[in-house]
Amino acid sequence: AQKVTQAQTEISVVEKEDVTLDCVYETRDTTYYLFWYKQPPSGELVFLIRRNSFDEQNEISGRYSWNFQKSTSSFNFTITASQVVDSAVYFCALTQNRDDKIIFGKGTRLHILP
Amino acid sequence: DGGITQSPKYLFRKEGQNVTLSCEQNLNHDAMYWYRQDPGQGLRLIYYSQIVNDFQKGDIAEGYSVSREKKESFPLTVTSAQKNPTAFYLCASSITSAQETQYFGPGTRLLVL
Repeated sequence: AQKVTQAQTEISVVEKEDVTLDCVYETRDTTYYLFWYKQPPSGELVFLIRRNSFDEQNEISGRYSWNFQKSTSSFNFTITASQVVDSAVYFCALTQNRDDKIIFGKGTRLHILP
Repeated sequence: DGGITQSPKYLFRKEGQNVTLSCEQNLNHDAMYWYRQDPGQGLRLIYYSQIVNDFQKGDIAEGYSVSREKKESFPLTVTSAQKNPTAFYLCASSITSAQETQYFGPGTRLLVL
């Protein structure tokens, strides 16, 4: 069975602080795909990143970075120098090879305080 | 601009009424999905379709129905059998399968009168 756990329900940080959102997954498949999405107050989910299980390289995109560690089954997301516009709910998701659907975590609500 | 559109943005349903949520995409994607999101919760899959004229039930299909007569369109009907329909409904599409990135529409918020 596959599962995604985002243990942090809600996080508040002051603007310009760095913040890391945790994502732990469970899967028995050796081939799988991980995703992060952002859901701002408007409601639409915005795609951030897709990573396959064979690519453990960390990724950086501007202020965003992702740390993928198969040894701990984690795919954590860090925002550097956070801004108020980063306030949103962030979802981690997983799909296994040949699955017809993806499984979402329950999300982490991030508040960036001015 | 390529993307996914959903309408209406807000929808009100009376008791015993069926309502239909629209989802259209011009991304030329084969696969389309419907999700339900309740407050403070993640997304739960209602129905999905990987090809025209074919669709499968997701995790919470009871009380819902869909059709896929055209590649671009995947409407969702919330029937009177769905006893707790108040939620935020999101439509998504991907190129071919769930292994590819899913792109989402803006959502429809359904409220019961």
